[in-house]
Amino acid sequence: AQTVTQSQPEMSVQEAETVTLSCTYDTSESDYYLFWYKQPPSRQMILVIRQEAYKQQNATENRFSVNFQKAAKSFSLKISDSQLGDAAMYFCAYRRNNAGNMLTFGGGTRLMVKP
Amino acid sequence: KAGVTQTPRYLIKTRGQQVTLSCSPISGHRSVSWYQQTPGQGLQFLFEYFSETQRNKGNFPGRFSGRQFSNSRSEMNVSTLELGDSALYLCASSLEGHRESPLHFGNGTRLTVT
Repeated sequence: AQTVTQSQPEMSVQEAETVTLSCTYDTSESDYYLFWYKQPPSRQMILVIRQEAYKQQNATENRFSVNFQKAAKSFSLKISDSQLGDAAMYFCAYRRNNAGNMLTFGGGTRLMVKP
Repeated sequence: KAGVTQTPRYLIKTRGQQVTLSCSPISGHRSVSWYQQTPGQGLQFLFEYFSETQRNKGNFPGRFSGRQFSNSRSEMNVSTLELGDSALYLCASSLEGHRESPLHFGNGTRLTVT
């Protein structure tokens, strides 16, 4: 079975600075997807960024980028120029290809942004 | 375009009762998935429906069931409620469960079992 581990229960960052959230996963599959989701107090899960395992290039979305290390099974999220609105729970998630929308989530990291 | 709509937002039930939660996906989306979120177990996949058929199922007891209607709206039902069923239940939809279709989540239904 696949597992996703987020080793940092809480992180804090100063506004405008950069922070990196860690995620490791375990799978025997070679074709899969990785995601970072943000969950603010409104409870709605919002997709931040996704990475296809077959792509070597790291995904980027504006201030968000990932460091995908397939051999190490590591998938970290870097948030640059942190903003107050980035404060939320962040979840790393894994989805095997051809598994529909069956995602396996990590335990989450609570990110606090200090003004 | 309206997002994923879940009703009700909050629900309080008594142990032993049953409950039905509703999810309306984004227009045009045919895949609907359900997740349970608790402080202890985190986010866990319950099941996924596509074109009225259950396509995937998580590791939950048979008390948890669901269905999808021809308009893609979905319901999940929990029978014989237990205290441990208290959780945030999240519904998500996508065009279909394939590689290029992102998952969109609703705001969830907070179920409290007393």
